[in-house]
Amino acid sequence: NAGVTQTPKFRILKIGQSMTLQCTQDMNHNYMYWYRQDPGMGLKLIYYSVGAGITDKGEVPNGYNVSRSTTEDFPLRLELAAPSQTSVYFCASSYSGVSGELFFGEGSRLTVL
Amino acid sequence: AQSVAQPEDQVNVAEGNPLTVKCTYSVSGNPYLFWYVQYPNRGLQFLLKYITGDNLVKGSYGFEAEFNKSQTSFHLKKPSALVSDSALYFCAVREANAGNMLTFGGGTRLMVKP
Repeated sequence: NAGVTQTPKFRILKIGQSMTLQCTQDMNHNYMYWYRQDPGMGLKLIYYSVGAGITDKGEVPNGYNVSRSTTEDFPLRLELAAPSQTSVYFCASSYSGVSGELFFGEGSRLTVL
Repeated sequence: AQSVAQPEDQVNVAEGNPLTVKCTYSVSGNPYLFWYVQYPNRGLQFLLKYITGDNLVKGSYGFEAEFNKSQTSFHLKKPSALVSDSALYFCAVREANAGNMLTFGGGTRLMVKP
């Protein structure tokens, strides 16, 4: 099993550009999440989804958008990239929204210059 | 609002010695508690969780954690540290019956020296 797969692993953007981080999982998990990790700050939840067609904001949603058209895929869109969005982004999935552990992708390192 | 604190940025321990990584939490109701480990340039990996039942939880790679409701703590422990345990450890909490948001601590770097 591949688990949770994220692409790209690295990307450099210029201020104002847009891009999409791709995330796909093959575990048939209903719950999917996008986190960002900044040094010494732990992980902050950007958006999450409890199933296809349903998404909701997390702690830090500004500047991002998501969609969930299928159970497998949960892309994260960055519109008008800003230096504050320089971070490592992790996609995760779980079989239970409350008591289930999260399975994480390898991460996508984004730099906005 | 739920929160979790990891008071130590780094813990240093000699190989073979016991290790403890501290975590305290704050929730309004009952907590679901998790520990994750992150190796360099990798995603987080699940170690163990407390949902209900026995306060001592055993997890992967010989790690265990003790849930202490009165002290609102969930410290991660291992009887004998290995150099390969060196990594970044995250504690996380989710309040039962309060939605899907999992709150992470800032992380503690564990350094095990030979």
